[in-house]
Amino acid sequence: QVQLQESGPGLVKPSETLSLTCTVSGGSMRSYYWSWIRQPPGKGLEWIGYLYYTDSTNYNPSLKNRVTISVDSSKNQFSLKVNSVTAADTAVYYCARDSDYGLDVWGQGTTVTVSS
Amino acid sequence: DIQMTQSPSTLSASVGDRVTITCRASESIGNWMAWYQQKRGKAPKLLIYRASTLETGVPSRFSGSGSGTEFTLTISSLQPDDFGTYYCQRYTSFSRSFGQGTKVDVK
Repeated sequence: QVQLQESGPGLVKPSETLSLTCTVSGGSMRSYYWSWIRQPPGKGLEWIGYLYYTDSTNYNPSLKNRVTISVDSSKNQFSLKVNSVTAADTAVYYCARDSDYGLDVWGQGTTVTVSS
Repeated sequence: DIQMTQSPSTLSASVGDRVTITCRASESIGNWMAWYQQKRGKAPKLLIYRASTLETGVPSRFSGSGSGTEFTLTISSLQPDDFGTYYCQRYTSFSRSFGQGTKVDVK
């Protein structure tokens, strides 16, 4: 059974880069998309972007200029970087498996706070 | 970019009630619609994909319908475990987006 686990710093300073990793266990990354989603405190879900296992990507237009998603297939991991963060980037960040069947496997989420 | 409009934002209901949540897309998305349930402090859980297909293990009181621009999630008889927030999500080529969410609380 596939499981996902997010990891990374819980506190990032304004203007710096937020970096998170999602580790995929119990299955292969092949033939799936892998998405990042975030949820600011008390608000709804926002799709950030996805990566296909071949390393092609697509991003939310509202975040496209600041976001990079990449893969390390040898480690069964994919990563998220958000540049030039502000308080508006404070959120719970989720990784999820993405396919024609929706976002069917989610990580538990990791809280990232942007503050000096 | 395709926008999703979900309604209502809040719904107060009692155990046993029939509950309906609607999601509208700003342009046709075929049947590329999914529905999720989220409990406080937890990751969302997939309920329905391709507009009407029930995810394995999800109770049959949940159902989805619609195509094109109008979609509905129905809970036929609300159970105590069903209180929470529900989101629609379109997953068309190269992009995804969520509705604003519907909080189902106790009447």
